[in-house]
Amino acid sequence: EAGVAQSPRYKIIEKRQSVAFWCNPISGHATLYWYQQILGQGPKLLIQFQNNGVVDDSQLPKDRFSAERLKGVDSTLKIQPAKLEDSAVYLCASSLDWGQDSPLHFGNGTRLTVT
Amino acid sequence: QQQVKQSPQSLIVQKGGISIINCAYENTAFDYFPWYQQFPGKGPALLIAIRPDVSEKKEGRFTISFNKSAKQFSLHIMDSQPGDSATYFCAATSSDNNDMRFGAGTRLTVKP
Repeated sequence: EAGVAQSPRYKIIEKRQSVAFWCNPISGHATLYWYQQILGQGPKLLIQFQNNGVVDDSQLPKDRFSAERLKGVDSTLKIQPAKLEDSAVYLCASSLDWGQDSPLHFGNGTRLTVT
Repeated sequence: QQQVKQSPQSLIVQKGGISIINCAYENTAFDYFPWYQQFPGKGPALLIAIRPDVSEKKEGRFTISFNKSAKQFSLHIMDSQPGDSATYFCAATSSDNNDMRFGAGTRLTVKP
């Protein structure tokens, strides 16, 4: 079973620039999550999708972050404009279905550095 | 944001020893408590999980102990090995919103 694929692995941008991250979940997984992991902290949920619908985006800074999940498969997370405090690892995860009985499978993340 | 407090921040254990990581939570609606293991450059991977209807769950060398009245749970790694060196995160979620809340992590180093 192929894991969750994310790209790019690393990205360095200047503040006020825009950036996009891509995620391809495990085949057949209906639920997709984006997490932000700041250095030295645990992951923090930004948004979760069930198929191509948003289930929860209450912690997504919507003035600068946006996400979409096309056709219920791949997803992109965008930041525009980036701030210094956005420097973090952005993790995508997927699960077979919504709920605790479906474990999360994480990708290896995209490390973003904003200078 | 933080609803799960984890300690210690770092831990050094000799090979063959017992590693113990503790977590405490605030939200009584939490009803699922997983532990994740993360190696450098990798995403977290589910290690073991427990629900509050049991006080202990064991899988191989890994055991979760759960104290519902104290709102605390802990991970015990028996016979710790250098390959266990990683960052461990406790987490908690409730069945009604699927928003996993993570602790800040414990960096475990097992010395050979």
